[in-house]
Amino acid sequence: DGGITQSPKYLFRKEGQNVTLSCEQNLNHDAMYWYRQDPGQGLRLIYYSQIVNDFQKGDIAEGYSVSREKKESFPLTVTSAQKNPTAFYLCASSINGLAGNNEQFFGPGTRLTVL
Amino acid sequence: SQQGEEDPQALSIQEGENATMNCSYKTSINNLQWYRQNSGRGLVHLILIRSNEREKHSGRLRVTLDTSKKSSSLLITASRAADTASYFCATGIQGAQKLVFGQGTRLTINP
Repeated sequence: DGGITQSPKYLFRKEGQNVTLSCEQNLNHDAMYWYRQDPGQGLRLIYYSQIVNDFQKGDIAEGYSVSREKKESFPLTVTSAQKNPTAFYLCASSINGLAGNNEQFFGPGTRLTVL
Repeated sequence: SQQGEEDPQALSIQEGENATMNCSYKTSINNLQWYRQNSGRGLVHLILIRSNEREKHSGRLRVTLDTSKKSSSLLITASRAADTASYFCATGIQGAQKLVFGQGTRLTINP
């Protein structure tokens, strides 16, 4: 059963803490993406990776970090430097990232709340 | 930065009616995609139209693309209550390795 999974579904964080959101895919996709979505808004790109051991900053990378040590996994760390981290985080993958020519498959999302 | 702008921001219609959503963009694109998002869930890909295509169909969905006007429309025919969701356009920009999403149209189908 192929797909993309995110965990946890809900995450609560105290101010000043780093938290890591998990994203795993078994679609054998090369490219993976992290987006942030605020209430009633569209998606903003945080980071993306076109291949293992390589990733690029998106439009709102400040306060976030990623790694891509395995093709299947693209975890996102929300650091204490992110001033307003409460949001819905979506991970996606595509067969490759060539010129955005392919559809993206999305996970179910993680809702992060800072207490 | 957001390139795609959907219009209207919200749309409410009766079940059985047709729903039309529009998307405008600013730069040259390779393709334009439409996605659907149910409340609190991930996005689901609906349809992709390439820059050299003018119209595409998928079931009750019809997408048009006018590159001269830098705009696209998504038509959902014979709407159902289950079509209630937010719909996003996303552009694959020439020279960029990513999609840029619009703000979305919130569609409500009243039974």
